Amino acid sequence: DTEVTQTPKHLVMGMTNKKSLKCEQHMGHRAMYWYKQKAKKPPELMFVYSYEKLSINESVPSRFSPECPNSSLLNLHLHALQPEDSALYLCASSQPQGYNEQFFGPGTRLTVL
Amino acid sequence: AQSVTQPDIHITVSEGASLELRCNYSYGATPYLFWYVQSPGQGLQLLLKYFSGDTLVQGIKGFEAEFKRSQSSFNLRKPSVHWSDAAEYFCAVGLSGRRQNFVFGPGTRLSVLP
Repeated sequence: DTEVTQTPKHLVMGMTNKKSLKCEQHMGHRAMYWYKQKAKKPPELMFVYSYEKLSINESVPSRFSPECPNSSLLNLHLHALQPEDSALYLCASSQPQGYNEQFFGPGTRLTVL
Repeated sequence: AQSVTQPDIHITVSEGASLELRCNYSYGATPYLFWYVQSPGQGLQLLLKYFSGDTLVQGIKGFEAEFKRSQSSFNLRKPSVHWSDAAEYFCAVGLSGRRQNFVFGPGTRLSVLP
């Protein structure tokens, strides 16, 4: 299984809502990533988990809260988002060495009203 | 600082024509190089990768890329483009060492004329 799955595909939320994005992989990868992608731009790294521990936080606002419950799952908890947070949120996984290819999920299209 | 440039923001080719997408990188050590493709609203799919060895790399969907150390380039080619190749293409450098990260280029959007 070389697939990374993400749910939901689309999410619309108000600025006072709390929601979560979910990501799952069964490739045995021990590194998982969250990226944010705006239209016509490359993905921007948000967080990296390595062996279920947060190893990189790219100065992301605290309204985004990542969680890695186990080696296959990655969540992104959202609270009090702003309209400018609307974007495609991509999850990826890889072997833990940084130079390995990353496998991406299809993304969650988030709209903040 | 490490960087990846893709000089062409948008390229238009006719179906059946050949294609070359340019990628240049700035990185001190031996780079790990990748090309990804992204269809609208979708995730990124790996086309091919270069770690070491033969500098001409074959990928999926008929794509190939050539690593040229002297030019710090990793250009993507396809001899005959299909309409389904229309997408955004990203070149990326994988960083060795403790930090796990890719550096993505800005992307090149490919349009294909019938």
